Amino acid sequence: QVQLQESGPGLVEPSQTLSLTCTVSGDSISRGYYFWNWIRQVPGRGLEWMGYIDNGGSTYYNPSLTSRLTMSVDTSKNQFSLRLNSVTAADAAIYYCARYDDRLDYWGQGALVSVSS
Amino acid sequence: DIVMTQSPDSLPVSLGERATINCKSSQSVLFNSNNMNYLAWYQQKPGQPPKLLFYWASARESGVPDRFSGSGSGTHFTLTISSLQAEDVAVYYCQQYYSIPWTFGQGTKVEIK
Repeated sequence: QVQLQESGPGLVEPSQTLSLTCTVSGDSISRGYYFWNWIRQVPGRGLEWMGYIDNGGSTYYNPSLTSRLTMSVDTSKNQFSLRLNSVTAADAAIYYCARYDDRLDYWGQGALVSVSS
Repeated sequence: DIVMTQSPDSLPVSLGERATINCKSSQSVLFNSNNMNYLAWYQQKPGQPPKLLFYWASARESGVPDRFSGSGSGTHFTLTISSLQAEDVAVYYCQQYYSIPWTFGQGTKVEIK
């Protein structure tokens, strides 16, 4: 059974960088041609797709976030990561990682990130 | 960006009755070369991540009860629950993966009448 688990600080100061890691278990991140995604959700609101990275390191970002967003993959650790620069209160959300295999079939439980000084 | 619009926003339904959720995309999500609609449906319960129900508009994900069905093509799609059960109370989202940025509908909250 494939499982994904987000990890990282739950609190980030305004203007700082939000960093999260997603650890994949039950399958190799480098096996097959999957896209590894980040999606966020302001509590009580809708879902925003942020972008994905494949196991070769190619990335596709939401244009609304491109200037602030970096994704990376570490196949040796079976992990992929997100960095979002210059955060504001609008970036406070639950951050989900998810696997795409013709659909977003496996999701992590989500990591709640607050933005405050 | 492709805008996904769901209707209604809230849907009260009696137990055992049919629930129908509509999703409209601002442009077609049908890829002509493979005749596939790049449209998925998710169910989200409080405190949980979204759970995939359908992809390619009508392909049921493994384990999804057959009271759920997905249909539609092009720009208009429907998620139907044929006989609402208590455990189906949730927010339902459609999502297009035809073009980047992938986008979600605003969600439809299904509740018991």
